[in-house]
Amino acid sequence: DIQMTQSPSSVSASVGDRVTITCRASQGVSRWLAWYQQKPGKAPKLLINAASSLQSGVPSRFSGSGSGTDFTLTITSLQPEDFATYYCQQANSFPFTFGPGTKVDIK
Amino acid sequence: QVQLQESGPGLVKPSQTLSLTCTVARGSTNTAAYYWNWIRQPAGKGLEWIGRIYPSGNTYYNPSLQSRASMTIDTSNNQFSLNLDSVTAADTAVYYCARGALVRGAYYYGFDVWGQGTTVTVSS
Repeated sequence: DIQMTQSPSSVSASVGDRVTITCRASQGVSRWLAWYQQKPGKAPKLLINAASSLQSGVPSRFSGSGSGTDFTLTITSLQPEDFATYYCQQANSFPFTFGPGTKVDIK
Repeated sequence: QVQLQESGPGLVKPSQTLSLTCTVARGSTNTAAYYWNWIRQPAGKGLEWIGRIYPSGNTYYNPSLQSRASMTIDTSNNQFSLNLDSVTAADTAVYYCARGALVRGAYYYGFDVWGQGTTVTVSS
């Protein structure tokens, strides 16, 4: 299985801050990497597909980059509704695997 | 707008079989453009992908489930289902069904539509 790691595991930030989350795969996944946002009691929401393709309706302050084993999710100018947990997920090979999550909370 | 809805018992006894169904509304399961998934999340923990099924019925399961999982699809009723055998307390979780898009018939995008999730507790 491909193991996914994320850093940091949590981050405290303020509205307006820039937040960067890193995801690393134990082996190359090309660009088959997705990012999700999950709020308490809710299903995850797909933000980014194929490493950098923003899903329709997702604000442009979210962006993704990377390929191979190292990926980044960046939120520019954090908004109150962005406080949530973020997961990466590789879709390169079965079984699909998720990172452990990064919790973004209010400083 | 496609919607997914999970249904099934919220309480299952140890050693029994967990059975869930996902109903797809305002969309079709019978399209080569998508694959259909089950994902679970224990309380306070991360996400675990259980498996996927194509409209053809072709399946792949996470080996971590040690052959306890099986999935079926009923394209005429726009439903797909999960059975998980020999459950233990470790199978207690919120179970989600989700849709994923196929890229050029061979590659996979992430899960763009999710059900709201259903909580399943394994307890006697």
